[in-house]
Amino acid sequence: GESVGLHLPTLSVQEGDNSIINCAYSNSASDYFIWYKQESGKGPQFIIDIRSNMDKRQGQRVTVLLNKTVKHLSLQIAATQPGDSAVYFCAEMHSAYKYIFGTGTRLKVLA
Amino acid sequence: NAGVTQTPKFQVLKTGQSMTLQCAQDMNHEYMSWYRQDPGMGLRLIHYSVGAGITDQGEVPNGYNVSRSTTEDFPLRLLSAAPSQTSVYFCASSWTPDRAAETQYFGPGTRLLVL
Repeated sequence: GESVGLHLPTLSVQEGDNSIINCAYSNSASDYFIWYKQESGKGPQFIIDIRSNMDKRQGQRVTVLLNKTVKHLSLQIAATQPGDSAVYFCAEMHSAYKYIFGTGTRLKVLA
Repeated sequence: NAGVTQTPKFQVLKTGQSMTLQCAQDMNHEYMSWYRQDPGMGLRLIHYSVGAGITDQGEVPNGYNVSRSTTEDFPLRLLSAAPSQTSVYFCASSWTPDRAAETQYFGPGTRLLVL
């Protein structure tokens, strides 16, 4: 697998349970946030995004929550499936071309 | 439609050698970028391009050169490889980099080891 995963925190979740992955962002001026999924040996894949004028956004089985007061972002995955096993990381953007990426959390889905 | 392709998938270099990492996209995207991914760190932007003939530096540009002669291709050149450049490199492309991440596509990555 990717050596980038050696230093990541891991969240283990039973199949069918809900997963919550957290992210603290750094810049209070950031106005756009993204969650990515990265499977072993692959590039990051967009999951969901949210703009700073929103607190919550829902997609298919995923929900992103934004708390600007404490600069915190979370990704909720409903009914976690084995195919959800991957590294998840957040990114913030406060100006054009300037994404700041988090280091990620490894999600392990237990059968 | 192949999306974003990168070659090679894996490369071993000796210190001081040069090489070019290739990136191509067939989606007619204007914006392309190169990132490196290291253990314990998030993706870091090396260089980016907003269109053919236009490139600019990102967060960690030292030791890397880029050019954009066509919309489709955005090669990354290492002029004299150093062990600190051991990393996984990702190329990405999108219509626009500005708050439209759902249209940003990443390539599969190139794993580079510099001895």
